[in-house]
Amino acid sequence: EAQVTQNPRYLITVTGKKLTVTCSQNMNHEYMSWYRQDPGLGLRQIYYSMNVEVTDKGDVPEGYKVSRKEKRNFPLILESPSPNQTSLYFCASSSGAGVMDTQYFGPGTRLTVL
Amino acid sequence: GEDVEQSLFLSVREGDSSVINCTYTDSSSTYLYWYKQEPGAGLQLLTYIFSNMDMKQDQRLTVLLNKKDKHLSLRIADTQTGDSAIYFCAESYTGKLIFGQGTTLQVKP
Repeated sequence: EAQVTQNPRYLITVTGKKLTVTCSQNMNHEYMSWYRQDPGLGLRQIYYSMNVEVTDKGDVPEGYKVSRKEKRNFPLILESPSPNQTSLYFCASSSGAGVMDTQYFGPGTRLTVL
Repeated sequence: GEDVEQSLFLSVREGDSSVINCTYTDSSSTYLYWYKQEPGAGLQLLTYIFSNMDMKQDQRLTVLLNKKDKHLSLRIADTQTGDSAIYFCAESYTGKLIFGQGTTLQVKP
């Protein structure tokens, strides 16, 4: 089954404790991205990757890092989480970055930073 | 910059039609999308429309595009309780999706 998986689905942590949210896709997609969803703001892109070892900032990259060492995985790293990073995070992938490439979304990770 | 706007809430009765509206700013968008998010789940692509189309119908869903006014709508015929969800419109801009805030659709029995 074609899918995008994220782990963990739920996480409660404390300020400053480094964490990683994993994302994996089994569709051999080149393009992957991370979004955060906040009430009243819709989804905003954090980082995206056009291919292995190619990453770039989205609209709200501050406080986040990513890596793309393999095509299937695109982890989101919070080196020193803060309460304003409490949000619902979605990973997405598509075969390309063009307008005709449909993005497939993971189930989401709900992060709470105390 | 590019922006997508939606109303935040819509309530309808089961069996009625729902119309969710969206406006966007980037006239160069080639595709416009509707995504559905059920409680506790990720986003599911419902439908999309190419910018040279005025209308697209897919079973109970009808998408209307007014390119002159940069207005997109999603009509759900015979709305069911299972349609209760948040609906996001999105435009494709330089390879990334710009989302609206999402419209929460409440379907009352």
